Amino acid sequence: GDSVTQMEGPVTLSEEAFLTINCTYTATGYPSLFWYVQYPGEGLQLLLKATKADDKGSNKGFEATYRKETTSFHLEKGSVQVSDSAVYFCAFNTGGFKTIFGAGTRLFVKA
Amino acid sequence: DTAVSQTPKYLVTQMGNDKSIKCEQNLGHDTMYWYKQDSKKFLKIMFSYNNKELIINETVPNRFSPKSPDKAHLNLHINSLELGDSAVYFCASSPNAGRNTEAFFGQGTRLTVV
Repeated sequence: GDSVTQMEGPVTLSEEAFLTINCTYTATGYPSLFWYVQYPGEGLQLLLKATKADDKGSNKGFEATYRKETTSFHLEKGSVQVSDSAVYFCAFNTGGFKTIFGAGTRLFVKA
Repeated sequence: DTAVSQTPKYLVTQMGNDKSIKCEQNLGHDTMYWYKQDSKKFLKIMFSYNNKELIINETVPNRFSPKSPDKAHLNLHINSLELGDSAVYFCASSPNAGRNTEAFFGQGTRLTVV
């Protein structure tokens, strides 16, 4: 069935470190891919998205590239900040009235 | 102005009680959702509505009954609450159900059943 697998957390990094959060998906149909972020005590908000193969989504220094051949959408940031501490969710939508989410990866960034 | 608002933010209640969570969106979206987030942060779709009509019911127990009086509102009523219902419930909306469409989430309602 449709599913998203993302790396388990928590991920703990020092400020200015490089971040990668791996995400792979299994989808029937041609999905659009998303990364959402959830800050403490808040709802999810869209971080970035990509709607077709080889597209790169980017926002706030975060990037992810839609890799159809490996069904992956890994999230990267070159230099994390304390304010990036949050839970990150990889997700996809094939247009079927629902978005499928991964289990979330908690990121802690230490000063 | 909050785009998707839910009330209450926190709800503590005893087993067996009936409770409701309200959700309103002022974005003019056609599609609304309820998601349940468990203690491990796993997010699972419960219901999807489009123009007030139920589209998806993801094998949620009958004790959960959504109601959409109009396109801007989607409320969730839960009967005979159980300990396992404790979770954070998120309402969300999107302009339509297209594959490119992002979802806009409310702040969540933390339900604790004691």
